Amino acid sequence: DAKTTQPPSMDCAEGRAANLPCNHSTISGNEYVYWYRQIHSQGPQYIIHGLKNNETNEMASLIITEDRKSSTLILPHATLRDTAVYYCIVRVEPGGFKTIFGAGTRLFVKA
Amino acid sequence: GAVVSQHPSRVICKSGTSVKIECRSLDFQATTMFWYRQFPKQSLMLMATSNEGSKATYEQGVEKDKFLINHASLTLSTLTVTSAHPEDSSFYICSASQTGQGGGNTIYFGEGSWLTVV
Repeated sequence: DAKTTQPPSMDCAEGRAANLPCNHSTISGNEYVYWYRQIHSQGPQYIIHGLKNNETNEMASLIITEDRKSSTLILPHATLRDTAVYYCIVRVEPGGFKTIFGAGTRLFVKA
Repeated sequence: GAVVSQHPSRVICKSGTSVKIECRSLDFQATTMFWYRQFPKQSLMLMATSNEGSKATYEQGVEKDKFLINHASLTLSTLTVTSAHPEDSSFYICSASQTGQGGGNTIYFGEGSWLTVV
């Protein structure tokens, strides 16, 4: 199973871009990279996912390196409500659905 | 987007009793759902995979006789904590998978259910 490594915590100033890194050096060729976040006492919220190409949606952008061994989640204009734990996940079973969570990155957005 | 709903959001039960938590996919069918538990300041721990019409697959170390999972329809899975004890107090979260048009399986999570055993 591919594992992910994320910094335990990060700070970001409100209004600035938050760049959250993730290493997944053992990722397999057909495994996707998913990002979720969890605000205190709530279920995880899906943010974005990708396979090879960079992806962008209304919440964030996902930049995946060419060798796919790492990725960065970008929140372009962080707000206080973006304070949460962010999880970078590589899908464990190609073609399956099991999702294993690591420790994640606790992002603090400060005014 | 897809919605997964859990009920109840909070429940308090007496030690020794059983409590059931429901997980519903509201606008899509989910042949597979997952159950997690989360202790304070810790990450989510996968407990089991719930498959519609068949037995659940439990992760190592999870007692299947204590955490009963039933997935009787494509939109509903239930987790029953039997003979609950205070150490079972936790945040229980379910998730369901929806296949996207572009490939990959997007997994949506419920709001979670707080269980307190007194």
